[in-house]
Amino acid sequence: SSELTQDPAVSVALGQTVRITCQGDSLRSYYASWYQQKPGQAPVLVIYGKNNRPSGIPDRFSGSSSGNTASLTITGAQAEDEADYYCNSRDSSGNHLRVFGGGTKLTVL
Amino acid sequence: EVQLVESGGGLVQPGGSLRLSCAASGFTVSSNYMSWVRQAPGKGLEWVSVIYSGGSTYYADSVKGRFTISRDNSKNTLYLQMNSLRAEDTAVYYCARDLMAHDAFDIWGQGTMVTVSS
Repeated sequence: SSELTQDPAVSVALGQTVRITCQGDSLRSYYASWYQQKPGQAPVLVIYGKNNRPSGIPDRFSGSSSGNTASLTITGAQAEDEADYYCNSRDSSGNHLRVFGGGTKLTVL
Repeated sequence: EVQLVESGGGLVQPGGSLRLSCAASGFTVSSNYMSWVRQAPGKGLEWVSVIYSGGSTYYADSVKGRFTISRDNSKNTLYLQMNSLRAEDTAVYYCARDLMAHDAFDIWGQGTMVTVSS
């Protein structure tokens, strides 16, 4: 079982805002990073640190954190945002191990 | 261009061994943290192992004692030696560059498939 918990599926209407959450004890001490994965493709980093976007990631993607919950928000979701999204952080022991959430399938209606 | 290219995947019998390679270009493997991440068919991502720039290595409990991460600085290549393979090790294996200060994987390879089956 994963130490980071995500909702298995979320849907959003085209152009609307959606929040994908990730819960875990380690998030009280460490930031989450977020990855987008489309079928047959490698994951792509979309958010890391407090709220940083790698070059090339649209500014409709943002991140936040409160307590044991990290969130990825897509403001004005586009059809191309339909994908699986994974959070990642340190494991709850705070050691050097990393852990992924189970993933959230985002459907854009 | 910064990129990672994995190779070495294939079909192996339970109990067998396989070594995966990850060739880097555009940056120096030994100056970065590097990780392996895997994804079983139809499943989510699972972190496997990391090697720090200083050489320290760490493993997920599911592979500890069976897998070994290493690098060849002269070839700018990352490796994953996998021994005592089990059916549950069947997955696409990705190598990824780990942003040291942010615990984030910013560069990923395309993945290599490992199938453990008799």
